[in-house]
Amino acid sequence: GAVVSQHPSWVICKSGTSVKIECRSLDFQATTMFWYRQFPKQSLMLMATSNEGSKATYEQGVEKDKFLINHASLTLSTLTVTSAHPEDSSFYICSARWRGSSYNEQFFGPGTRLTVL
Amino acid sequence: AQTVTQSQPEMSVQEAETVTLSCTYDTSENNYYLFWYKQPPSRQMILVIRQEAYKQQNATENRFSVNFQKAAKSFSLKISDSQLGDTAMYFCAFMKIPNTGNQFYFGTGTSLTVIP
Repeated sequence: GAVVSQHPSWVICKSGTSVKIECRSLDFQATTMFWYRQFPKQSLMLMATSNEGSKATYEQGVEKDKFLINHASLTLSTLTVTSAHPEDSSFYICSARWRGSSYNEQFFGPGTRLTVL
Repeated sequence: AQTVTQSQPEMSVQEAETVTLSCTYDTSENNYYLFWYKQPPSRQMILVIRQEAYKQQNATENRFSVNFQKAAKSFSLKISDSQLGDTAMYFCAFMKIPNTGNQFYFGTGTSLTVIP
């Protein structure tokens, strides 16, 4: 089956620093990747849609200057949390849409836990 | 806009018994997919089952089956012969067709505990 990886799986950083999270589709090409945020015991909230070779589309209320998304290739999207603060601590999950699927199937990465001190 | 509602925040079931998780949704779309995802403590999202709205037959995957009522906009998940490994958060999700936008619309989740 299709595999999506995320790196790192867990990161701790100091307030004010920036953190980059990578999302890779390992065995398929993904024209579109999605970034979600999940707080404890809550559902996944879509932050942005990342399209290869174009600017990301952000959901209402998500600061695009704070959450920088780059989709440089068909297998890699990155999310950079700039000037991170404790309230940015959360679980970040990416998913990748398989372009070869008849219904644009999405596969989820294992998530990245971000803790900002 | 699409909304997905899971009215049971927490549920429990005895091992080997059957449990049903509820999901309702609201949409004006006629063609769409519905999903149940499982999120165990590892936090990895795992697809449990998928239903295409234009198919009347309810989807089944081994011990997992759905009761899809399109007119009522209801999509419940039945887990038979519950196992300890079924303990997880379960999310109901909606995706319209064609999915030229993005997007899963997730429910708020149901935390299922299987009791030995």
